[in-house]
Amino acid sequence: QVQLRESGPGLVKPSGTLSLTCGVSGYSISSGFYWGWIRQPPGKGLEWIGSVYHGGSTFYNPSLKSRIITSVDTSNNQFSLKLSSVTAADTAVYYCARKNCTGGNCYPDYWGQGTLVTVSS
Amino acid sequence: SYELTQPPSVTVSPGQTASITCSGYKLGDKYVCWFQQRPGHSPALVIYENDERPSGIPERFSGSNSGNTATLTISGTQAMDEADYYCQVWDSSTVVFAGGTKLTVL
Repeated sequence: QVQLRESGPGLVKPSGTLSLTCGVSGYSISSGFYWGWIRQPPGKGLEWIGSVYHGGSTFYNPSLKSRIITSVDTSNNQFSLKLSSVTAADTAVYYCARKNCTGGNCYPDYWGQGTLVTVSS
Repeated sequence: SYELTQPPSVTVSPGQTASITCSGYKLGDKYVCWFQQRPGHSPALVIYENDERPSGIPERFSGSNSGNTATLTISGTQAMDEADYYCQVWDSSTVVFAGGTKLTVL
């Protein structure tokens, strides 16, 4: 069973950089699939952030693309997200997920438990 | 960017059938997924490729997609089905979610 778990600071200062890591167990990320990030502001809906392949290829949400960096650490079976120049609008629960592609759709099929990141001074 | 629209809320009585719609331009030409998010939990995939159920998802969950509308149907709705539901598609190399529907079982 594929399991994912997010880790990182729960509080980030405005204009700073949000950094999160997602540890994966039950599957080797170097074996395939894209690995992605989704966020959910308190009381609101889901927003796709982007995804990364172990070879380095990425797909990013156009609205966030200029502030995102993702990376993969195959030796530790984990991947990471950095979101720069954060504001209060970036306060959200951040989920990591595996992105599966079947039948012409790509979708997150396994999700982490989520971690709340608050942007505040 | 592609937009998906869901009703904010749907109410159903226990044991009845709940239908949650998702609308988008020529949505029937795409493959739709549905996610269930119970309060305080991560979203979980309940339907993929319009009408396929992942292993472990009860048969009372079904999906359809035609024209401009996809529908998630929950037959014999139970109290445990009370949750937020999100439809999703892949468009322009991006995962697109709708705003979600709160299903109340009352």
